[in-house]
Amino acid sequence: DVKVTQSSRYLVKRTGEKVFLECVQDMDHENMFWYRQDPGLGLRLIYFSYDVKMKEKGDIPEGYSVSREKKERFSLILESASTNQTSMYLCASIRGGSTGSGNTIYFGEGSWLTVV
Amino acid sequence: SQQGEEDPQALSIQEGENATMNCSYKTSINNLQWYRQNSGRGLVHLILIRSNEREKHSGRLRVTLDTSKKSSSLLITASRAADTASYFCATDFPQAGTALIFGKGTTLSVSS
Repeated sequence: DVKVTQSSRYLVKRTGEKVFLECVQDMDHENMFWYRQDPGLGLRLIYFSYDVKMKEKGDIPEGYSVSREKKERFSLILESASTNQTSMYLCASIRGGSTGSGNTIYFGEGSWLTVV
Repeated sequence: SQQGEEDPQALSIQEGENATMNCSYKTSINNLQWYRQNSGRGLVHLILIRSNEREKHSGRLRVTLDTSKKSSSLLITASRAADTASYFCATDFPQAGTALIFGKGTTLSVSS
């Protein structure tokens, strides 16, 4: 069965801390994504990656970076966490070189990050 | 950025009633997909409709697509309390390597 696993379900971090959110998929998917979800704003794309060591900025990349050293793993990094980064973070993956092929995107269960 | 917009933002109905949610988008698409999200969980794929299709069914779900109006609707028939969730439409675009763009969602509450 298809699986996208986010390593941390709930995190509480202090302002200024460096935060790593890890995501692993077991489907050999080429494309992986990080979204942020906030009430009233829906899902907003932070970064995505269509291949190992490749990354593309989404709509809201400021304050975030990503790492894709292996195909199955896509990490989201908050270099210096701030309170406005308190949110739910969703990782997702999709098969194929282009999302235009109509493949299904698979999501992890989400990581709730609180920055205090 | 390009985005689907769902309407209404919130919908409350009784069990057994039908629920209709709408999605509008801005530019030409390859496909449109609907996803469901239970409170505090990840999104789960429901149904995909391609740009050359007009209607698609899956169980109690019926999706329509009108590319001339750049809109889609999701109908859930005979709603159950377990259908309570948020529903999102997602669109993708002809350019390779672009991500699915999600709308803000419709929150459906079905009371028994």
